[in-house]
Amino acid sequence: QKEVEQDPGPLSVPEGAIVSLNCTYSNSAFQYFMWYRQYSRKGPELLMYTYSSGNKEDGRFTAQVDKSSKYISLFIRDSQPSDSATYLCAGSNFGNEKLTFGTGTRLTIIP
Amino acid sequence: DAGITQSPRHKVTETGTPVTLRCHQTENHRYMYWYRQDPGHGLRLIHYSYGVKDTDKGEVSDGYSVSRSKTEDFLLTLESATSSQTSVYFCAISDYDEQYFGPGTRLTVT
Repeated sequence: QKEVEQDPGPLSVPEGAIVSLNCTYSNSAFQYFMWYRQYSRKGPELLMYTYSSGNKEDGRFTAQVDKSSKYISLFIRDSQPSDSATYLCAGSNFGNEKLTFGTGTRLTIIP
Repeated sequence: DAGITQSPRHKVTETGTPVTLRCHQTENHRYMYWYRQDPGHGLRLIHYSYGVKDTDKGEVSDGYSVSRSKTEDFLLTLESATSSQTSVYFCAISDYDEQYFGPGTRLTVT
Protein backbone atom coordinates (compact mmCIF):
# COMPACT_ATOMS: atom_id res chain seq x y z
CA GLN A 1 0.00 0.00 0.00
CA LYS A 2 1.32 3.43 -0.93
CA GLU A 3 1.66 5.86 1.98
CA VAL A 4 -0.41 8.44 0.11
CA GLU A 5 -3.26 7.33 -2.15
CA GLN A 6 -4.86 9.61 -4.70
CA ASP A 7 -7.40 8.89 -7.42
CA PRO A 8 -5.58 9.64 -10.69
CA GLY A 9 -8.76 10.68 -12.49
CA PRO A 10 -9.06 12.13 -15.01
CA LEU A 11 -11.69 14.44 -13.61
CA SER A 12 -13.66 16.80 -15.88
CA VAL A 13 -16.04 19.44 -14.54
CA PRO A 14 -17.81 22.45 -16.11
CA GLU A 15 -16.51 25.95 -15.52
CA GLY A 16 -17.88 27.49 -12.34
CA ALA A 17 -18.39 24.18 -10.54
CA ILE A 18 -16.93 23.32 -7.16
CA VAL A 19 -14.14 20.78 -7.44
CA SER A 20 -13.28 18.33 -4.69
CA LEU A 21 -9.92 16.55 -4.77
CA ASN A 22 -9.08 13.97 -2.14
CA CYS A 23 -6.24 11.88 -0.76
CA THR A 24 -5.85 9.34 1.98
CA TYR A 25 -2.65 8.56 3.83
CA SER A 26 -1.46 5.77 6.10
CA ASN A 27 1.47 7.30 8.00
CA SER A 28 0.22 8.51 11.38
CA ALA A 29 3.40 10.55 11.86
CA PHE A 30 2.51 12.96 9.06
CA GLN A 31 2.01 16.45 10.46
CA TYR A 32 2.41 18.60 7.35
CA PHE A 33 0.23 18.40 4.27
CA MET A 34 0.60 20.12 0.95
CA TRP A 35 -1.24 20.52 -2.32
CA TYR A 36 0.73 21.22 -5.46
CA ARG A 37 -0.56 22.17 -8.90
CA GLN A 38 1.40 21.02 -11.92
CA TYR A 39 0.78 22.24 -15.44
CA SER A 40 1.88 20.05 -18.33
CA ARG A 41 5.67 19.93 -18.69
CA LYS A 42 6.19 22.28 -15.73
CA GLY A 43 7.42 21.85 -12.17
CA PRO A 44 4.95 21.44 -9.30
CA GLU A 45 3.80 24.74 -7.80
CA LEU A 46 2.88 24.92 -4.12
CA LEU A 47 -0.81 25.80 -3.70
CA MET A 48 -1.66 25.12 -0.09
CA TYR A 49 0.28 24.15 2.99
CA THR A 50 -1.34 23.04 6.26
CA TYR A 51 -0.13 21.82 9.57
CA SER A 52 -2.06 19.13 11.48
CA SER A 53 -5.86 19.02 11.29
CA GLY A 54 -8.20 21.79 10.22
CA ASN A 55 -9.05 24.03 7.31
CA LYS A 56 -7.06 26.63 5.45
CA GLU A 57 -8.50 28.99 2.87
CA ASP A 58 -6.71 31.01 0.21
CA GLY A 59 -8.94 32.74 -2.32
CA ARG A 60 -10.89 30.11 -4.24
CA PHE A 61 -8.93 27.27 -2.66
CA THR A 62 -9.66 25.50 0.64
CA ALA A 63 -7.55 22.70 2.08
CA GLN A 64 -8.93 20.37 4.74
CA VAL A 65 -7.08 17.86 6.85
CA ASP A 66 -8.81 15.26 9.02
CA LYS A 67 -6.09 13.38 10.88
CA SER A 68 -8.59 11.11 12.63
CA SER A 69 -9.57 9.58 9.29
CA LYS A 70 -6.25 10.29 7.55
CA TYR A 71 -8.05 12.19 4.83
CA ILE A 72 -6.97 15.38 3.06
CA SER A 73 -9.03 17.41 0.62
CA LEU A 74 -8.69 20.39 -1.68
CA PHE A 75 -11.76 22.34 -2.75
CA ILE A 76 -11.74 24.75 -5.66
CA ARG A 77 -14.66 27.18 -5.88
CA ASP A 78 -15.79 28.88 -9.06
CA SER A 79 -13.45 26.70 -11.11
CA GLN A 80 -11.80 28.28 -14.14
CA PRO A 81 -10.26 26.74 -17.28
CA SER A 82 -6.89 27.94 -15.96
CA ASP A 83 -7.34 25.50 -13.06
CA SER A 84 -6.92 22.62 -15.53
CA ALA A 85 -3.79 20.83 -14.31
CA THR A 86 -2.61 17.85 -12.30
CA TYR A 87 -3.04 18.26 -8.55
CA LEU A 88 -0.64 16.48 -6.21
CA CYS A 89 -1.15 15.94 -2.51
CA ALA A 90 1.77 15.28 -0.18
CA GLY A 91 2.50 14.61 3.47
CA SER A 92 5.56 14.72 5.67
CA ASN A 93 6.65 14.32 9.26
CA PHE A 94 8.48 17.64 9.17
CA GLY A 95 7.74 20.35 6.63
CA ASN A 96 11.24 20.67 5.30
CA GLU A 97 12.03 17.00 5.17
CA LYS A 98 11.01 14.18 2.90
CA LEU A 99 7.66 14.64 1.19
CA THR A 100 5.59 11.62 0.23
CA PHE A 101 3.40 12.35 -2.76
CA GLY A 102 0.23 10.88 -4.15
CA THR A 103 0.27 10.03 -7.84
CA GLY A 104 -1.73 13.14 -8.76
CA THR A 105 -5.24 13.81 -10.12
CA ARG A 106 -5.58 15.25 -13.61
CA LEU A 107 -8.31 17.90 -13.64
CA THR A 108 -9.91 19.50 -16.70
CA ILE A 109 -12.29 22.46 -16.41
CA ILE A 110 -14.59 22.60 -19.42
CA PRO A 111 -15.51 26.15 -20.58
CA ASP B 1 10.32 28.91 -10.06
CA ALA B 2 11.55 30.41 -6.79
CA GLY B 3 15.09 31.03 -8.01
CA ILE B 4 15.80 27.45 -9.04
CA THR B 5 17.36 26.43 -12.32
CA GLN B 6 18.08 22.96 -13.62
CA SER B 7 20.49 21.97 -16.34
CA PRO B 8 20.29 20.49 -18.81
CA ARG B 9 16.54 20.76 -19.39
CA HIS B 10 16.54 17.86 -21.83
CA LYS B 11 19.05 15.09 -22.37
CA VAL B 12 19.20 11.90 -24.38
CA THR B 13 21.95 9.48 -23.46
CA GLU B 14 22.92 5.87 -24.06
CA THR B 15 22.76 3.01 -21.60
CA GLY B 16 25.95 2.71 -19.60
CA THR B 17 27.07 6.33 -19.87
CA PRO B 18 27.46 8.59 -16.83
CA VAL B 19 25.10 11.54 -16.54
CA THR B 20 25.17 14.52 -14.18
CA LEU B 21 22.21 16.81 -13.62
CA ARG B 22 22.67 20.16 -11.95
CA CYS B 23 20.37 22.12 -9.68
CA HIS B 24 21.26 25.72 -8.88
CA GLN B 25 19.42 27.99 -6.42
CA THR B 26 19.70 31.68 -5.67
CA GLU B 27 17.57 31.59 -2.49
CA ASN B 28 20.29 30.44 -0.07
CA HIS B 29 17.96 27.70 1.22
CA ARG B 30 19.48 25.03 3.41
CA TYR B 31 17.62 21.99 2.09
CA MET B 32 17.79 20.67 -1.46
CA TYR B 33 16.12 17.59 -2.95
CA TRP B 34 16.12 15.47 -6.06
CA TYR B 35 12.87 13.75 -7.11
CA ARG B 36 11.93 11.71 -10.14
CA GLN B 37 8.44 11.70 -11.62
CA ASP B 38 7.05 8.71 -13.50
CA PRO B 39 3.52 7.85 -14.64
CA GLY B 40 1.70 5.81 -12.02
CA HIS B 41 4.31 6.55 -9.37
CA GLY B 42 4.08 10.28 -8.91
CA LEU B 43 7.04 12.10 -7.44
CA ARG B 44 9.56 9.99 -5.53
CA LEU B 45 12.50 11.27 -3.52
CA ILE B 46 15.95 10.14 -4.71
CA HIS B 47 18.34 12.01 -2.39
CA TYR B 48 18.28 15.14 -0.32
CA SER B 49 20.75 17.47 1.33
CA TYR B 50 20.40 19.34 4.60
CA GLY B 51 23.60 21.35 4.22
CA VAL B 52 26.90 21.55 2.39
CA LYS B 53 28.39 18.04 2.22
CA ASP B 54 25.42 16.65 4.21
CA THR B 55 23.24 14.31 2.18
CA ASP B 56 20.91 11.38 2.78
CA LYS B 57 19.09 8.76 0.75
CA GLY B 58 15.48 8.88 -0.27
CA GLU B 59 13.01 6.25 -1.40
CA VAL B 60 14.64 5.40 -4.76
CA SER B 61 18.36 6.08 -4.32
CA ASP B 62 19.84 2.95 -5.96
CA GLY B 63 21.90 3.88 -9.03
CA TYR B 64 22.16 7.54 -8.06
CA SER B 65 24.70 9.60 -6.16
CA VAL B 66 24.69 13.25 -5.16
CA SER B 67 27.11 15.93 -4.13
CA ARG B 68 26.76 19.36 -2.61
CA SER B 69 29.99 21.33 -2.30
CA LYS B 70 28.29 24.76 -2.25
CA THR B 71 24.99 25.93 -0.77
CA GLU B 72 23.65 26.88 -4.17
CA ASP B 73 24.47 23.73 -6.15
CA PHE B 74 23.19 20.15 -5.81
CA LEU B 75 24.38 17.60 -8.36
CA LEU B 76 22.70 14.31 -9.19
CA THR B 77 24.86 11.69 -10.91
CA LEU B 78 23.79 8.52 -12.66
CA GLU B 79 27.05 6.56 -12.67
CA SER B 80 25.93 4.19 -15.44
CA ALA B 81 22.57 5.15 -16.88
CA THR B 82 19.93 2.47 -17.46
CA SER B 83 16.65 2.60 -19.37
CA SER B 84 14.75 2.42 -16.08
CA GLN B 85 16.21 5.83 -15.23
CA THR B 86 14.36 7.46 -18.11
CA SER B 87 12.25 9.98 -16.24
CA VAL B 88 11.63 13.61 -15.45
CA TYR B 89 13.87 14.81 -12.65
CA PHE B 90 12.91 17.68 -10.37
CA CYS B 91 15.01 19.58 -7.92
CA ALA B 92 13.36 21.23 -4.92
CA ILE B 93 14.56 23.62 -2.23
CA SER B 94 13.34 24.40 1.27
CA ASP B 95 14.37 26.55 4.19
CA TYR B 96 11.89 25.89 6.98
CA ASP B 97 8.63 24.47 5.75
CA GLU B 98 7.55 24.65 2.15
CA GLN B 99 9.37 22.98 -0.71
CA TYR B 100 9.64 24.79 -4.04
CA PHE B 101 10.34 22.94 -7.25
CA GLY B 102 12.46 23.70 -10.29
CA PRO B 103 11.34 23.36 -13.92
CA GLY B 104 12.58 19.78 -14.34
CA THR B 105 15.01 17.86 -16.54
CA ARG B 106 13.65 15.35 -19.02
CA LEU B 107 16.13 12.48 -19.33
CA THR B 108 15.86 9.71 -21.89
CA VAL B 109 18.19 6.71 -21.71
CA THR B 110 18.25 4.72 -24.96
